Amino acid sequence: GESVGLHLPTLSVQEGDNSIINCAYSNSASDYFIWYKQESGKGPQFIIDIRSNMDKRQGQRVTVLLNKTVKHLSLQIAATQPGDSAVYFCAENIGGGSYKLIFGSGTRLLVRP
Amino acid sequence: GAVVSQHPSWVICKSGTSVKIECRSLDFQATTMFWYRQFPKQSLMLMATSNEGSKATYEQGVEKDKFLINHASLTLSTLTVTSAHPEDSSFYICSASVDETNQFGPGTRLLVL
Repeated sequence: GESVGLHLPTLSVQEGDNSIINCAYSNSASDYFIWYKQESGKGPQFIIDIRSNMDKRQGQRVTVLLNKTVKHLSLQIAATQPGDSAVYFCAENIGGGSYKLIFGSGTRLLVRP
Repeated sequence: GAVVSQHPSWVICKSGTSVKIECRSLDFQATTMFWYRQFPKQSLMLMATSNEGSKATYEQGVEKDKFLINHASLTLSTLTVTSAHPEDSSFYICSASVDETNQFGPGTRLLVL
C-alpha cells in the first residue's frame, strides 16, 4: 500500500559531511526506484534512479543503494552542501508497463553551515 | 529537456466553487499523465492516472465525481476540483511520462476558504 508520513523525519548534518537518507518501500514487485528532491513550494526534482537488477548506482555526489531482500533503499550524498537542504522522497514503480509511482514518506535534510 | 507546466501556480476560491488546474507538457507529447495531492509535511499521494483519449483511472479512495480529469490532447490534462471545500486545500502536482521517466510540474497551491 501507500506510505504516508504525518511528520517528516529530519536529518541534520554539518556542511561538508556525508548524508545518508533511508527509505523502506512497500511492494516486492517494484522494479524501478527513484529518489526525488523537493524544495518548499516546488514540484519533485529527479536525483537518481535504480532498477531492481542492480544494487548500487552512482551519480555526481550521490549514490543509491538497493537491498531487495529487506525492501530498503538509501541515498548517500557526499560533501553535503547548503543547497542540498530539502525534503527527499523515494518512489517505487511496480512496472508492468505503467509509470505510476508510489512515494515514500520523505525525509527533511537540514544542512548546518 | 522535457518540461511540464501547471496553471495556475496558486488559487484561492470560496467553498462550493469549482477550480480547474491545467497540466501541460511543453515540448513533448504525453499519453499518460498523473495527478498527485500533497498535504503539508506529508508525501505525495497519487490521485489518478490520466490517459489521453480515455477515462482516467482513480486510486482507491479518490472520488472521481469530485476530481474530474480530462486528457483531451497529448499535451494537456486538466483536473477540476468540483464543489471545493476547505479540506480540499492542498498542493496539487502533475507528472507526465516521457522516455521511461516521469517529469513533474511545479505544482498548484489550492486554498479553499
